[in-house]
Amino acid sequence: EVELVESGGGLAQPGGSLRLSCAGSGFTFSANWMQWVRQVPGKGLVWVSRINGDGSDTSYADSVKGRFTISRDNAKNTLYLQMNSLRAEDTAVYYCATSRSGRFDHWGQGALVTVSS
Amino acid sequence: DIVMTQSPDSLAVSLGERATINCKSSQSLLSTSNNKYSLVWYQQRPGQPPKLLIYGASTRESGVPDRFSGSGSGTDFTLTISSLQAEDAAVYYCQHHSSVPWTFGQGTKVEI
Repeated sequence: EVELVESGGGLAQPGGSLRLSCAGSGFTFSANWMQWVRQVPGKGLVWVSRINGDGSDTSYADSVKGRFTISRDNAKNTLYLQMNSLRAEDTAVYYCATSRSGRFDHWGQGALVTVSS
Repeated sequence: DIVMTQSPDSLAVSLGERATINCKSSQSLLSTSNNKYSLVWYQQRPGQPPKLLIYGASTRESGVPDRFSGSGSGTDFTLTISSLQAEDAAVYYCQHHSSVPWTFGQGTKVEI
């Protein structure tokens, strides 16, 4: 059974940093594109970033480009999102997801990131 | 960026009745490489992550009940729940994957 478990969320100050992790199991991690999607509580879904299986191809939403970095360690079956220069508007639940042909077929339970002084 | 607009924002449907959710994209979602539509539907129940329902505009994900169906073409797509069950109370999102950035509709809340 596919399982994705996010960790690393919490409270950060504006301008600060956090690193989210997403541990995958039950599937061939290195063969999958992986995604980060965020959701302000009570609001809609927003795609954040994606990375291909070997980490050589990444994309970002304009709202996080230059501040967030997606990466992966296939030896550890783990996806990361390094978030720098955090802003209040980055406050959200962050989900990692596997993707196949553009569809997000498995999702983690999410990690809450709160940016506040 | 492709804008995805869902309608209505919310709807109340009685048990056993039909629910219809519309999704309109600002550009055609037909992929010229495989002649399929880059349109996906998700269900999100309260406190849960989204769940994949439909991909390619009309293909049900494995394990999804057949009361869920997707249709449409070009820029206009529909998710239909043929006979609403209590567990279908949720927010439904459409999403395109035609080009980066992939974007979602604003969501449609289905209430019983």
